[in-house]
Amino acid sequence: DAKTTQPPSMDCAEGRAANLPCNHSTISGNEYVYWYRQIHSQGPQYIIHGLKNNETNEMASLIITEDRKSSTLILPHATLRDTAVYYCIVRVGGGSQGNLIFGKGTKLSVKP
Amino acid sequence: EAEVAQSPRYKITEKSQAVAFWCDPISGHATLYWYRQILGQGPELLVQFQDESVVDDSQLPKDRFSAERLKGVDSTLKIQPAELGDSAMYLCASRSGTGGTGELFFGEGSRLTVL
Repeated sequence: DAKTTQPPSMDCAEGRAANLPCNHSTISGNEYVYWYRQIHSQGPQYIIHGLKNNETNEMASLIITEDRKSSTLILPHATLRDTAVYYCIVRVGGGSQGNLIFGKGTKLSVKP
Repeated sequence: EAEVAQSPRYKITEKSQAVAFWCDPISGHATLYWYRQILGQGPELLVQFQDESVVDDSQLPKDRFSAERLKGVDSTLKIQPAELGDSAMYLCASRSGTGGTGELFFGEGSRLTVL
């Protein structure tokens, strides 16, 4: 599975959009981009995933560049409860195949 | 809402002792994972089960760690003997075997402290 690069930490003001970048320049054509987050002392939680089209759900939006070498997770209106470590992961297959290989993620701090 | 259950939530043990963690995945989930997470790092895969069979245990330190899922439902991860470096959060996750988003559902983890 391709490796990802994320900034170690970011700050965001409450109520503003949080834009979390991820570089995956060696991504293969059959690898999906997944985002998970981990709130302190809890297990990771799935947020969203995509292959090449932009995706949106009730939690976030995922923007993938046309060359698929990078992506951005957008939390449109960040709240204090969004403070967590956010992991960007690429893996083969969008279904039951492949494992998740976590990096160190980005620690997002949402401030009042 | 269905959840992955893990126990114990916290465990303190002395080095050289045996310790065991239990995981009950979401009902019907064929794939089960054990991850280890050292403080400040991302989770690291230890072992993956498909039903009762081990699919990947390449990162499991087999001299002291063992994992089983005898009936393809719940699973146990054992460490014997525990070492100081085993202090970490042990996370269990499960995934449906067919279709869906492929997302993993994680339990709250078992935090191990080895003294």
